[in-house]
Amino acid sequence: GQNIDQPTEMTATEGAIVQINCTYQTSGFNGLFWYQQHAGEAPTFLSYNVLDGLEEKGRFSSFLSRSKGYSYLLLKELQMKDSASYLCAVWANDYKLSFGAGTTVTVRA
Amino acid sequence: DAGITQSPRYKITETGRQVTLMCHQTWSHSYMFWYRQDLGHGLRLIYYSAAADITDKGEVPDGYVVSRSKTENFPLTLESATRSQTSVYFCASSESVGSEKLFFGSGTQLSVL
Repeated sequence: GQNIDQPTEMTATEGAIVQINCTYQTSGFNGLFWYQQHAGEAPTFLSYNVLDGLEEKGRFSSFLSRSKGYSYLLLKELQMKDSASYLCAVWANDYKLSFGAGTTVTVRA
Repeated sequence: DAGITQSPRYKITETGRQVTLMCHQTWSHSYMFWYRQDLGHGLRLIYYSAAADITDKGEVPDGYVVSRSKTENFPLTLESATRSQTSVYFCASSESVGSEKLFFGSGTQLSVL
């Protein structure tokens, strides 16, 4: 099976930076995704990493180290609307997308 | 509207009853998936389908049945609902696997009493 770990909760102040870590142990690797999920809504795609390094997309960046089985999602200039759950997911060799339990981020004024 | 739609949005049923959750997508995506989401477990794959008439089990398939007679539809049936199947169910689709993102439906919140 797949093992994907991320912290359960994080709290940060509006305007600050938060880094959400994700470690994975999977049977093979074909790519890592980050999804955002607001309460009561469906997950929506944020980012995709398949090669080592940093992918930047506006206020959000995602980093991958395949040798360490590690990724992080960096949220900059936090806004209240960023309060949500952030899901780390991995495509392994069985070509099924497996998800971590998610990290709930609360942004305080 | 184009996209992926699920119905019903909310469902309450009793233990032992059969329940079918519907999923329809208009993109002609080959791959479709059913996940359940529970507190502390995140999204867990129930079944997936690579094309019409091709389905396979995911991580938690027991108690569920799927079919895919047409590319656009992927219904999920609980043959005899149990309380442990109370959950939020998400259907998703993608063009391919390995590198393609999944598009999710709005979800069905199912309560089994």
